[in-house]
Amino acid sequence: AQSVTQLDSQVPVFEEAPVELRCNYSSSVSVYLFWYVQYPNQGLQLLLKYLSGSTLVKGINGFEAEFNKSQTSFHLRKPSVHISDTAEYFCAVTLPEYGNKLVFGAGTILRVKS
Amino acid sequence: DAGVIQSPRHEVTEMGQEVTLRCKPISGHDYLFWYRQTMMRGLELLIYFNNNVPIDDSGMPEDRFSAKMPNASFSTLKIQPSEPRDSAVYFCASSLKVADRAYEQYFGPGTRLTVT
Repeated sequence: AQSVTQLDSQVPVFEEAPVELRCNYSSSVSVYLFWYVQYPNQGLQLLLKYLSGSTLVKGINGFEAEFNKSQTSFHLRKPSVHISDTAEYFCAVTLPEYGNKLVFGAGTILRVKS
Repeated sequence: DAGVIQSPRHEVTEMGQEVTLRCKPISGHDYLFWYRQTMMRGLELLIYFNNNVPIDDSGMPEDRFSAKMPNASFSTLKIQPSEPRDSAVYFCASSLKVADRAYEQYFGPGTRLTVT
């Protein structure tokens, strides 16, 4: 069974519109959650992380994510996107059964149109 | 800090040749990861090291692949002999412990390998 599921492979959106990229994980124990962004021809860059505390996490470039333990979700949101946000976004978790590894979702390509 | 450094950035080689990819992690990080990214299979973890010791190599595709970390500031991923299906972008990442079991990984720019 897949540990991290990103429900949308591609999300097209117009510039200045809000966006939500969905991520669900399968674990009954505590997890640590991350969102990474990959711009074309570049490596992955950390957007934000949830370790503990407030379930609403703010990251770079105006992105935020909310940890929902009951729904095992960690959806990424931005209230108003820019053309420069066009990239692939990866959700990742660390799970006890996987030691110190990050388990990545399949990625969601965000396409911002003008 | 300069971040994770990978070389070369691009490599084109012929089938059967040996390929060596190099990585310099961020100073002070004690974990190093090698990933492979393709359109078909996405991002795959190949192997990772802790304090220069390989911890999990279950993602290494086959015996043609090998990785070493002779010291804290250098690691190599070698493919011998290379095959066209090895064509991919190979990423190195190093990590810093931010909480119990939580390691924030920093990725290098990747090496784009093309095997013809």
